[in-house]
Amino acid sequence: GENVEQHPSTLSVQEGDSAVIKCTYSDSASNYFPWYKQELGKGSQLIIDIRSNVGEKKDQRIAVTLNKTAKHFSLHITETQPEDSAVYFCAARGDRQGAQKLVFGQGTRLTINP
Amino acid sequence: DAGITQSPRHKVTETGTPVTLRCHQTENHRYMYWYRQDPGHGLRLIHYSYGVKDTDKGEVSDGYSVSRSKTEDFLLTLESATSSQTSVYFCATDGGFSLGEQYFGPGTRLTVT
Repeated sequence: GENVEQHPSTLSVQEGDSAVIKCTYSDSASNYFPWYKQELGKGSQLIIDIRSNVGEKKDQRIAVTLNKTAKHFSLHITETQPEDSAVYFCAARGDRQGAQKLVFGQGTRLTINP
Repeated sequence: DAGITQSPRHKVTETGTPVTLRCHQTENHRYMYWYRQDPGHGLRLIHYSYGVKDTDKGEVSDGYSVSRSKTEDFLLTLESATSSQTSVYFCATDGGFSLGEQYFGPGTRLTVT
């Protein structure tokens, strides 16, 4: 089955700098890659996603890149702000046949230092 | 926010006791999921449901059972809790569209002593 590895497990950056989180996946059939943000004491929330027919997607300060050949995808956050501090999870999913069984990475705890 | 609530939010129980966690949604979503979150493992799927009375196993289903008698409720039961089941449990739902966002509840922190 699918296996998703996420690095780093913790990341600390200065406010205003950029942050990059990387994930690799094992199943070449996976075609959907969402990123979720989990704030303290809350459930995870989708922040951006990408499909396998697209190499890059941007939404304001957040971007995701996908390299299908190497089977890795990355989250880029620019001009980081204190409210970006959270745990971030990447995930992968194959062709949807019924339920959306996402396989998640281990998570990255991002801390933005003022 | 897809109107997902979980109860209880925190629970401490003893090894060997049965525990039931409840997930309630107000969006009439077809699919519901139970995950557990542990350090170093991220979110792992326990069981999921694709309709009333229709459920299936996920990646880490041993020791857990689920039931869904109504669209809005998805119950997770630990028949005989063990210390290895100490975790944070999250319920999630999605509406069934091919690229549908998965919505998460606020989580239940379960401690088995």
